[in-house]
Amino acid sequence: EIVLTQSPGTLSLSPGERATLSCRASQSVSSSYLAWYQQKPGRAPRLLIYGVSSRATGIPDRFSGSGSGTDFTLTISRLEPEDFAVYFCQQYGSSPYTFGQGTKLEIK
Amino acid sequence: QVQLQESGPGLVKPLETLSLTCTVAGGSVSSASSSWTWIRQPPGKGLEWIGDSGSTNYNPSLKSRVLISVDTSKNKFSLKLSSVTAADTAVYYCARGPFYDSWSGYYIGGWFDPWGQGTLVTVSS
Repeated sequence: EIVLTQSPGTLSLSPGERATLSCRASQSVSSSYLAWYQQKPGRAPRLLIYGVSSRATGIPDRFSGSGSGTDFTLTISRLEPEDFAVYFCQQYGSSPYTFGQGTKLEIK
Repeated sequence: QVQLQESGPGLVKPLETLSLTCTVAGGSVSSASSSWTWIRQPPGKGLEWIGDSGSTNYNPSLKSRVLISVDTSKNKFSLKLSSVTAADTAVYYCARGPFYDSWSGYYIGGWFDPWGQGTLVTVSS
């Protein structure tokens, strides 16, 4: 099973700043099969990024993903108030599909 | 636009079977382009993939207790988790995915989109 470790656990930033979230895998994620989700309190996760860097339908271009192998990054170029939430990475290169433990992005 | 809605009991007794249903609107559970998945999230914790409807693909940690089935006549899919304990208390989500090329059946990817709103299931006597 591939273990995904996200860092930092909590990231405190202000609107307008740039956010960089990390996701590290315990072994290489095949074929760049990595996704990112955003979850707000009491809501279901929403797909942001799949295939490491492809934005899902309707996701603003301030969200971008990058990386390969075992190291992946979600970048939010300029934080909007609605971006403060918890973010999860997920690998689907091998079964069982696994998620990271999440990074909480909070307003500073 | 595909929309999903979970339904089922919010309280299950220990050692009994948890049963949930996901109703699909705006799409077909018999579509060749995707499977259908269950994911859970214990209160205040992370996400755990339970399994999907394709080829009885289940998480090994739960495989002995899980059954996911599809009812094409009602456009729904279901989860049964047997012999539950307090550790199975969680918000249960249904979602669409993984995805396949509808012509070749080739695996495109195992992301999940969209998700249902989730339903809290508590295991307690």
